[in-house]
Amino acid sequence: EIVLTQSPGTLSLSPGERATLSCRASQTVSDIYLAWYQQKPGQAPRLLIHGTSSRATGIPDRFSGSGSGTEFTLTISGLEPGDFALYYCQQYGGPLPVTFGQGTRVEIK
Amino acid sequence: QVQLQQSGPGLVKPSETLSLTCTVSGVSIGSGTFYWGWIRQSPGKGLEWIGTIYYNGNSYYHPSLKSRVTISVDTSKNVFSLNLRSVTASDTAVYYCARQWIQIGLDYFDLWGQGSLVTVSS
Repeated sequence: EIVLTQSPGTLSLSPGERATLSCRASQTVSDIYLAWYQQKPGQAPRLLIHGTSSRATGIPDRFSGSGSGTEFTLTISGLEPGDFALYYCQQYGGPLPVTFGQGTRVEIK
Repeated sequence: QVQLQQSGPGLVKPSETLSLTCTVSGVSIGSGTFYWGWIRQSPGKGLEWIGTIYYNGNSYYHPSLKSRVTISVDTSKNVFSLNLRSVTASDTAVYYCARQWIQIGLDYFDLWGQGSLVTVSS
C-alpha cells in the first residue's frame, strides 16, 4: 500500500499569501498520479486537481499542482477567504488500494 | 446535472450490517463511462477508500475491508450499494459515494454524494 504523508499538518497564512502543501509517497511507482481535494466543514471533498497538475472543471488558476516520483505539491497563489479549508491528496495509477493523505489544514493567521 | 444521493440508516448495532445506497441521476451507470466508489471518513483515519464497482459488477475492495464488504450495482434503477458486515465502533464514520474516473485505472473522484454519518452503537 502506498502511504501518502502530507505536510505540514497545519498551515497558518494570511489572505493574499501563497500556500505550498506537500504530499510525499512512501514508494516510487511508475505512473503514479495525484489528485487534490478541498474539504470544508460539513461538506464532501471537492476535486481540485487530477493527473498531478490538471485543474478540475471550474477550479480557478490560483490552484496548481506539480511533482513526480514521490514528491508532489499543491500551490495556492494568493489565498482568498474561501480557500481556508482542509486539503487532501490521493494517489492513483499505482497498485491498489487507492489511498489518501491525512490532510493539511490551511487556517487564517 | 449529475447528482449522487445517498440513503440508509444512520445508526447500526454492533455485529450487524451497515447498508447504504447511492442513487445516481444525470448519467447512466450502465454507460460504462465511470466507476462508482465508496469512501469513508473517520476522525482517526481520515479518508479511506472502501471499494469501487463497474456497471458490469466487477468490483475492487480495500484489502483491510475485503472480507466484510460487498458493493453491488443495479443498472435498471441506476443505483449502487454498500454492505459492510459485522460492524464495530471503529466503523463509525461519514460514508460517501462518489463517481470515479477511468483513465489510468481506478482514478480520482470528481463527484461526491452528500455524505452519511453512520454510528455503530447498541
